[in-house]
Amino acid sequence: GDSVTQMEGPVTLSEEACLTINCTYTATGYPSLFWYVQYPGEGLQLLLKATKADDKGSNKGFEATYRKETTSFHLEKGSVQVSDSAVYFCALSSYDKVIFGPGTSLSVIP
Amino acid sequence: DGGITQSPKYLFRKEGQNVTLSCEQNLNHDAMYWYRQDPGQGLRLIYYSQIVNDFQKGDIAEGYSVSREKKESFPLTVTSAQKNPTAFYLCASGPMWGLAGVSYNEQFFGPGTRLTVL
Repeated sequence: GDSVTQMEGPVTLSEEACLTINCTYTATGYPSLFWYVQYPGEGLQLLLKATKADDKGSNKGFEATYRKETTSFHLEKGSVQVSDSAVYFCALSSYDKVIFGPGTSLSVIP
Repeated sequence: DGGITQSPKYLFRKEGQNVTLSCEQNLNHDAMYWYRQDPGQGLRLIYYSQIVNDFQKGDIAEGYSVSREKKESFPLTVTSAQKNPTAFYLCASGPMWGLAGVSYNEQFFGPGTRLTVL
């Protein structure tokens, strides 16, 4: 069945460091891909999305490119801030459901 | 403002009691979902519904029940049959997925309800 794999956390970075969170997927058909962010004690918020191969989603300095050839959707940011500390979930749409990865916890220290 | 509301934010239940979690949306979305999240874990799908008066079991439906009498509302009942109900429960909604073989399925989440069994 469809699945999402993301890099294990937790990830700890210093402010202004570069961020990459790896995400790979297995899917049939043509899924849309998403990154969601969850701040402590809150629900998930959509961070960015891509609906077809080679699309690049971007928001708040975060980017991810839909790579069909490598079945990947890695999340990147050039300079992280303390306020980016959260859990990040990679996800794909699978017919009538969304499949979420296990989440990667990011802590950014001043 | 459009969005999804869940109530209550915190809920305490005694063992053996049923409890109902509320989820309401005014986004005019057809589909609604319930997820369970345990500490340090990802999301597990409990139930979902694509249209009124119809719903499907997710991966961990045992011990839970739902209803979808109105498009805007999708309440979740945690029954006494659920062995370990303490968790964070998230409700989401989204538009129906699109053309056959092409799904968009973006989901919008509520703020969650934290259920604790005493």
